[in-house]
Amino acid sequence: GDSVTQMEGPVTLSEEACLTINCTYTATGYPSLFWYVQYPGEGLQLLLKATKADDKGSNKGFEATYRKETTSFHLEKGSVQVSDSAVYFCALHAGNNRKLIWGLGTSLAVNP
Amino acid sequence: DAGVTQSPTHLIKTRGQHVTLRCSPISGHKSVSWYQQVLGQGPQFIFQYYEKEERGRGNFPDRFSARQFPNYSSELNVNALLLGDSALYLCASRTGGGRNTEAFFGQGTRLTVV
Repeated sequence: GDSVTQMEGPVTLSEEACLTINCTYTATGYPSLFWYVQYPGEGLQLLLKATKADDKGSNKGFEATYRKETTSFHLEKGSVQVSDSAVYFCALHAGNNRKLIWGLGTSLAVNP
Repeated sequence: DAGVTQSPTHLIKTRGQHVTLRCSPISGHKSVSWYQQVLGQGPQFIFQYYEKEERGRGNFPDRFSARQFPNYSSELNVNALLLGDSALYLCASRTGGGRNTEAFFGQGTRLTVV
């Protein structure tokens, strides 16, 4: 069945460091891929998405490219800030499926 | 504009009791989905409703049920609560059922079963 695997956390970085959170998926057909973020005490928010191969989603300095050949959608940011501290979830939505399928989440802590 | 609203925000129940969680989607959104998020894990899909009909069901026991009303709001009901039902219950609304439409999440209802 469809699944998402993302790197385990927690990830701890210093401010202005580079961030990569790996995400790979297994899905039939051509899924849409998403990164959601959950800030402390808040609900899930869509960070970025890509709906077809080679699409790049970007938002708030974060980027992720839909790589069909490696079935990956890694999240990257060149310079993290303390305010980026949150839990990041990779998710997919397959064509005939009615649900989002989620990774386990990766906790990011950015220290000043 | 109001986002997705869920009520209550927190509640504590005793094993064996019943609970009803409520969700109001964003105005104009016809699809509502429910997810369970256990601490430290990703959300798990419970139900999706679109135009008042159930369109998807996750791997949850029959103790879990839901419905969607004519105004597109939704209720999630859980009977015979177990300790393992303690979790954050999330409601998400979307304009339609297509895979490219963004899901907007509410703040969730934190359920604690004691």
